[in-house]
Amino acid sequence: DIQMTQSPSTLSASVGDRVTITCRASQSVSSWLAWYQQKPGKAPKLLIYEASNLESGVPSRFSGSGSGTEFTLTISSLQPDDSATYYCQQYNSYSGTFGQGTKVEI
Amino acid sequence: EVQLLESGGDLVQPGGSLRLSCAASGFTFSNYAMSWVRQAPGKGLEWVSAVTASGSYTYYADSVKGRFTISRDNSKNTLYVQMSSLRVEDTAVYYCAKVRVPFSTAPFDYWGQGTLVTVSS
Repeated sequence: DIQMTQSPSTLSASVGDRVTITCRASQSVSSWLAWYQQKPGKAPKLLIYEASNLESGVPSRFSGSGSGTEFTLTISSLQPDDSATYYCQQYNSYSGTFGQGTKVEI
Repeated sequence: EVQLLESGGDLVQPGGSLRLSCAASGFTFSNYAMSWVRQAPGKGLEWVSAVTASGSYTYYADSVKGRFTISRDNSKNTLYVQMSSLRVEDTAVYYCAKVRVPFSTAPFDYWGQGTLVTVSS
């Protein structure tokens, strides 16, 4: 099974900061990588698919990059509403493994 | 508007069984693979199971293989998961999730609100 590892586990930053979260796969997943945002008590929300494609309605301050085994999610200018936990997910196969999550505190 | 509405969550004893349902609306259900994803209290997301659009193929995480059975009724626009031999570690909020593109594997663009399964004596 493909394992996904995110870093850091927790991140503290200020409004306006540029923030980067890393996700590493135990083997290549090509570009089959998604990013989600989850707020407490809510279902996850899709932000990025195929590593770098912004889902409709998601603010342009979110961006994704990478391929193979290493991926990043970048928030260009952190906003108060971005306080949440972020998860990567590989979908190279039907077993869509998630990373363990990165909590972003503002 | 796409809607996914889970039901069936409950308190059940270890070794017990439970069936969850997810009623879908607002899209052509029979064109989309569907999955169950769970989240234990205070923990991260765990993919549990998936079923193809036709229902012909099913996939499971190792943690539930042999104990959970995913199925769908495209005539009723409903996704199911039958859970048996439940363990304390199966305690979680269970979400149903729709894939973004027809006949794809993921990612998930719509999620239900979740239903809580508690396994405890």
